[in-house]
Amino acid sequence: GESVGLHLPTLSVQEGDNSIINCAYSNSASDYFIWYKQESGKGPQFIIDIRSNMDKRQGQRVTVLLNKTVKHLSLQIAATQPGDSAVYFCAENWGSGYSTLTFGKGTMLLVSP
Amino acid sequence: DAMVIQNPRYQVTQFGKPVTLSCSQTLNHNVMYWYQQKSSQAPKLLFHYYDKDFNNEADTPDNFQSRRPNTSFCFLDIRSPGLGDAAMYLCATSREREDTQYFGPGTRLTVL
Repeated sequence: GESVGLHLPTLSVQEGDNSIINCAYSNSASDYFIWYKQESGKGPQFIIDIRSNMDKRQGQRVTVLLNKTVKHLSLQIAATQPGDSAVYFCAENWGSGYSTLTFGKGTMLLVSP
Repeated sequence: DAMVIQNPRYQVTQFGKPVTLSCSQTLNHNVMYWYQQKSSQAPKLLFHYYDKDFNNEADTPDNFQSRRPNTSFCFLDIRSPGLGDAAMYLCATSREREDTQYFGPGTRLTVL
């Protein structure tokens, strides 16, 4: 069967709270970043992205912040709902050509009613 | 509307019995990817096709092969599945390599 996986960092919040999920990326040359949401048994779902020429981007209830100085990315979810419970992955891409996405380890978000 | 479709959603095979997983896309994207994802881990890229150009990751075992007969379809062949190959297999597509990847629902492979 499958090998035993690592325990994911977990963030537990109450419904209605704001959630902040953090990600440290690895390559200072990365110029494109994506947050994905993955519910149990499903494929990753695109949430929001940001290019390196920006430090903030907002979507519906979600905001991504990019701090290139410390290679840090965060995802803020406003008014968190039980349906937001999932594993969240950040991914980075550096440059064009043959480079592809590199995924971070993931954070599990648990939202209690 | 489904954009990246994977079949089957669940696949059971026997140790050593070849298995093929399929992926199709309606996005007309240039790039198609295959990832392996094990429990509580991030997706791990196995290989990708840019159009007909195959790009293998250095650490992908030879046991894993892929075919892309046309723009819309891509297949993952596991020649001799071992117990360690039990995982979720994800297909993704992107317009260009540096663009957003869109994932299918995955195929859960069980090896008995």
